Amino acid sequence: GIQVEQSPPDLILQEGANSTLRCNFSDSVNNLQWFHQNPWGQLINLFYIPSGTKQNGRLSATTVATERYSLLYISSSQTTDSGVYFCAVGTQGGSEKLVFGKGTKLTVNP
Amino acid sequence: DVKVTQSSRYLVKRTGEKVFLECVQDMDHENMFWYRQDPGLGLRLIYFSYDVKMKEKGDIPEGYSVSREKKERFSLILESASTNQTSMYLCASSGTRFNEQFFGPGTRLTVL
Repeated sequence: GIQVEQSPPDLILQEGANSTLRCNFSDSVNNLQWFHQNPWGQLINLFYIPSGTKQNGRLSATTVATERYSLLYISSSQTTDSGVYFCAVGTQGGSEKLVFGKGTKLTVNP
Repeated sequence: DVKVTQSSRYLVKRTGEKVFLECVQDMDHENMFWYRQDPGLGLRLIYFSYDVKMKEKGDIPEGYSVSREKKERFSLILESASTNQTSMYLCASSGTRFNEQFFGPGTRLTVL
């Protein structure tokens, strides 16, 4: 099956810093989503981005499907950005299933 | 906004009990999913359903069953709970036109 690798596994920042999270995947995808898991465990949808670039406030994401990677950019980080960020992908013929990466744990210190 | 709700945030059960986890979505989505999340193992798919009364096994179906009698509701059943089923359980739903998945708040199940 498709493999999803996220890097880095852990990231510690000072408030106000910028960061880039990466997601590599091993096959063609028809779905790619970025999630933020809050301290209570809920997965919050950040982006649905199987290709192209999207922006939402301080967050933006780019997926280069031909090169099989996606990037999540966080600018001017805040302490509330802390948590685990997951990339998940779905494949054609994959019955709408998502395969998750192991996540990047982000800690933003004040 | 899509809303996915789960019947309990926290649940404590004893070994051997039959456990029902309920999930309801309000967006008329065709697809519904149950995942479990464990430290070091990430999120893994247990079962999913693409229509009423239809189901397919995910990556780790052993020890679980599911029921989907109505489109908006998807139940996960632990026939005889065991301690290795202590985990965070997450339900999700998606439509067929746009396959973005939306998650419920999760249920932290502890089996003693």
